[in-house]
Amino acid sequence: NAGVTQTPKFRVLKTGQSMTLLCAQDMNHEYMYWYRQDPGMGLRLIHYSVGEGTTAKGEVPDGYNVSRLKKQNFLLGLESAAPSQTSVYFCASSSSGPDTQYFGPGTRLTVL
Amino acid sequence: RKEVEQDPGPFNVPEGATVAFNCTYSNSASQSFFWYRQDCRKEPKLLMSVYSSGNEDGRFTAQLNRASQYISLLIRDSKLSDSATYLCVVYRSGAGSYQLTFGKGTKLSVIP
Repeated sequence: NAGVTQTPKFRVLKTGQSMTLLCAQDMNHEYMYWYRQDPGMGLRLIHYSVGEGTTAKGEVPDGYNVSRLKKQNFLLGLESAAPSQTSVYFCASSSSGPDTQYFGPGTRLTVL
Repeated sequence: RKEVEQDPGPFNVPEGATVAFNCTYSNSASQSFFWYRQDCRKEPKLLMSVYSSGNEDGRFTAQLNRASQYISLLIRDSKLSDSATYLCVVYRSGAGSYQLTFGKGTKLSVIP
């Protein structure tokens, strides 16, 4: 089992560019999450999904969109990147809400 | 009061020492509690769940005090490999929403 994988691992964008981060899990988990982690801020939930075809907003959803067309994949989109979106992005999955979350290795995004 | 608060540290302790971290939470409706561990530039990983009766896993002991709204983590006989940031995590659900809040973490350095 690969667990949770994220693509890409690193990316540099210019302000205004768009991109999509891909998260994939092979554990048949229902729940999937996108977080961002910034120095001194801890992990903050961007969006989450409680099952295929569903998405919901987390604590900091502005500037991001998500889709869960397949159970194993959760995509995070930035339509018009801003320097404030420079961060490390983690994807996670779990079998249910309060259960153990399994994290991917992270994507380091820099927006210039 | 922030929803989840931790002492950021760093805690610098010699090998073999016992060290304890506390974490306070503000919402009395919180239902589940966890400690995650995050190594430098890596993803968070579950260390242990925290149960009302307290629980132990080898050198690690977790306690929950609902009356005072805090959880604690005790590490006995510290090893160099325990050096990491320890994240307190609190879960609650309600009205169709999902709330999993991560603390900012407490950094531990175990010194030879």
